[in-house]
Amino acid sequence: DQQVKQNSPSLSVQEGRISILNCDYTNSMFDYFLWYKKYPAEGPTFLISISSIKDKNEDGRFTVFLNKSAKHLSLHIVPSQPGDSAVYFCAASDRRGAQKLVFGQGTRLTINP
Amino acid sequence: GAVVSQHPSRVICKSGTSVKIECRSLDFQATTMFWYRQFPKQSLMLMATSNEGSKATYEQGVEKDKFLINHASLTLSTLTVTSAHPEDSSFYICSARDDRDYQETQYFGPGTRLLVL
Repeated sequence: DQQVKQNSPSLSVQEGRISILNCDYTNSMFDYFLWYKKYPAEGPTFLISISSIKDKNEDGRFTVFLNKSAKHLSLHIVPSQPGDSAVYFCAASDRRGAQKLVFGQGTRLTINP
Repeated sequence: GAVVSQHPSRVICKSGTSVKIECRSLDFQATTMFWYRQFPKQSLMLMATSNEGSKATYEQGVEKDKFLINHASLTLSTLTVTSAHPEDSSFYICSARDDRDYQETQYFGPGTRLLVL
């Protein structure tokens, strides 16, 4: 049972344009969502998070949007840079319950010059 | 801030031997740490939750006698793969929660690549 889904295994975007990565979840108990960036053979790097009481959180070039009714979140990167090429994982947590992170399958983002 | 280290970064061992992996939070205290494994082109799968001063909580299907976890201090958790076999070859990653962070974000170590021959 995949509670967190990233349906696009890969995404290719031109440098300078906007990258939009999507994530869907099924567990309505999730109340905290995170995005991580991962390079091969390295641990994930925390990017940005959002609590379920918000619908938007912004940090520099990164913005996360949360649509609770649709159980959907997205990560916007603008402008996209070559160094953004990596695998992006969304994760969700039920902080009042098990407090474990449940990860999506990841989306490989490639920024083309 | 929020730096997590792992040691070793890579280990090759013979089948039947035991391997210990260390996870340290360098600039914060972490009552709770987590151990994950990642197979090629797959997501991170939680193996166990490590709590300082108490027994680890293992996920379903993870053998606690094979993957021994010790969380002896607020900055160190160790994972020992006992009697390792080739199927245990994987990328093992730990994460830690900063005790001061009310949001409970997990910060990850760089990972340990284990190859069992």
